[in-house]
Amino acid sequence: GAVVSQHPSWVICKSGTSVKIECRSLDFQATTMFWYRQFPKQSLMLMATSNEGSKATYEQGVEKDKFLINHASLTLSTLTVTSAHPEDSSFYICSAARLADSSYEQYFGPGTRLTVT
Amino acid sequence: AQSVTQLDSQVPVFEEAPVELRCNYSSSVSVYLFWYVQYPNQGLQLLLKYLSGSTLVKGINGFEAEFNKSQTSFHLRKPSVHISDTAEYFCAVEAGTYKYIFGTGTRLKVLA
Repeated sequence: GAVVSQHPSWVICKSGTSVKIECRSLDFQATTMFWYRQFPKQSLMLMATSNEGSKATYEQGVEKDKFLINHASLTLSTLTVTSAHPEDSSFYICSAARLADSSYEQYFGPGTRLTVT
Repeated sequence: AQSVTQLDSQVPVFEEAPVELRCNYSSSVSVYLFWYVQYPNQGLQLLLKYLSGSTLVKGINGFEAEFNKSQTSFHLRKPSVHISDTAEYFCAVEAGTYKYIFGTGTRLKVLA
């Protein structure tokens, strides 16, 4: 149980276009999902917390107008990178929170590699 | 504020040798601690977690970790590593906000 998927697994887009990444919890409902960004050989940096039915909470330094997050249902959150530029190229990972052992635990998706040319 | 420090960026070790990956945290409140493994171009897989209770936590793939409150550490250990354990390992702390703070990661390279 507790499987999280991401689609697409990789995407190449041209500079100036927008890209949407989906994060789905396949066998549980998640009121909270998280979006992370990971640069090569670096750690995961939390970008934003996505709450079902409300606006996302962005971490300091993350442009909310550039990284649009929509948590439309209890099993789906989407991240849209608007007007992408080469510096947005990165590995994006989502996670979904589920109550386990009296605490919320995050289950991670397999990641989406974005390359902007 | 919470933080996590992984002191070793890379750890080379020969196959069947023991290994310890170090993790120290700072927090003014009770914490939950996690170790994750990441294989190339993949997401994170939970190895083990400490929420409360016994300070020695056993996880998957033969890994274990010990929570030491006085030393604010949560080191990961395995008595005998395999080539397949070659991966990136991340320590993470959660301190009441459901948000995880990750360490910078340790690359474990198992040598034949």
